[in-house]
Parts: sequence; structure tokens; C-alpha cells
Amino acid sequence: DGGITQSPKYLFRKEGQNVTLSCEQNLNHDAMYWYRQDPGQGLRLIYYSQIVNDFQKGDIAEGYSVSREKKESFPLTVTSAQKNPTAFYLCASSPGLAGSYEQYFGPGTRLTVT
Amino acid sequence: GNSVTQMEGPVTLSEEAFLTINCTYTATGYPSLFWYVQYPGEGLQLLLKATKADDKGSNKGFEATYRKETTSFHLEKGSVQVSDSAVYFCAPVIQGAQKLVFGQGTRLTINP
Repeated sequence: DGGITQSPKYLFRKEGQNVTLSCEQNLNHDAMYWYRQDPGQGLRLIYYSQIVNDFQKGDIAEGYSVSREKKESFPLTVTSAQKNPTAFYLCASSPGLAGSYEQYFGPGTRLTVT
Repeated sequence: GNSVTQMEGPVTLSEEAFLTINCTYTATGYPSLFWYVQYPGEGLQLLLKATKADDKGSNKGFEATYRKETTSFHLEKGSVQVSDSAVYFCAPVIQGAQKLVFGQGTRLTINP
């Protein structure tokens, strides 16, 4: 089955620790995205990548880092510099071709930092 | 800049009622438009889309028509079910940037 996987579904960390969230897709999509969702809120874009070895900051990139070494994978690291990291994190991918802008989402990772 | 305004929720309806969730946007040109649905604890699923003016997207009984005159893409369903309870997001594309702009979401609850 083609799709996007995020792991783990739930993640708990102590304050001051970096944590990396996994996102893998087997849809052969060029573009990948990371969003943050807080309770009762919409989605805010953290980082996105339109092609391997390249990525751009979104609206709330501070305290986060990403890499795009392989087409299938776009891991997100939440660093200790992120002031309020507890949130629901969603990864998405898109074909990336002209006119094909629809995004396909993974199931999300709920991160709790105490 | 690009932005989207959705009808504020929460919206509560009885089963078999008619549903409208309003969505208006500001954007350069005529972007593709999407509606996504999010069930509790899950990621977003694409519900329907329209890629040019006057297009009507439809899926699972939901419809939305791309109205360029009013820059709107309102979501409608003639008879809602309890299983339609979810959060709905309207999202136009930022042209040239391959990014979507998400509205704040509208929480819909359908009572039996």
C-alpha cells in the first residue's frame, strides 16, 4: 500500500532534550512538508522540501531542523530551543508537479514534553 | 498575501440536516482549492478539490464550487450523518510556491 507513515504515534520527552520525528513516504512524491497543530487550531507550516537535498523554512521554523537526504524521508528534529514543543505534528507529501498541489497526510505524531 | 477565512465553529447539527461551511480566500490569480477533513486523533484526508473557476468538486455527498467572482469555495452536503462529525479545513494553494494555506478549521458535530 502506498502512503505516508509517521512514527511513533505518541512521543514523550523531558524538557531540554532534542527529539526526532520520522516521516516516510512511498508515493514517489517530490515535495514533503511538516506542520504543527495545536488544540483547536489550524495547521502551521514548519519546513518544506520540494526536492532532495533542499528545504525551506515555513512560518514557524525557529527551534526546528530538518534534512532531506532521500526522496522518501523527511525527518523533523525538535530542538531544546523550541519554547513550546508539545503539539500534534503532521507530515505531508505532494507530487510536486506543476498543477498537482494536493497534499497527502500521515497519521501524525503527538509529542508531549514535560 | 494569501489567506483564507472559514466559518467559525463549532457547528452542531442534527442527522439529515443540510450543511454549509463557508470559505473565502484572498490570493493572486486563480489558485487550486481544497477541502480536507480531520477525524479525531488522525491526520488530514483530502475530501474534494477544484482546480479552476466554476469547477465543482464532490466526494462522499459533499460538494463545493469554485466561485471566482466571490473568491469562495463553500462546502455543502444535503443530508449529514453522525459519521461526518470531524474538523473541516479549507485550503487554497499559494501559486508558484507549492504550499497550501489552511483555514483555522471548522469543527462539525452531528447528533443522532
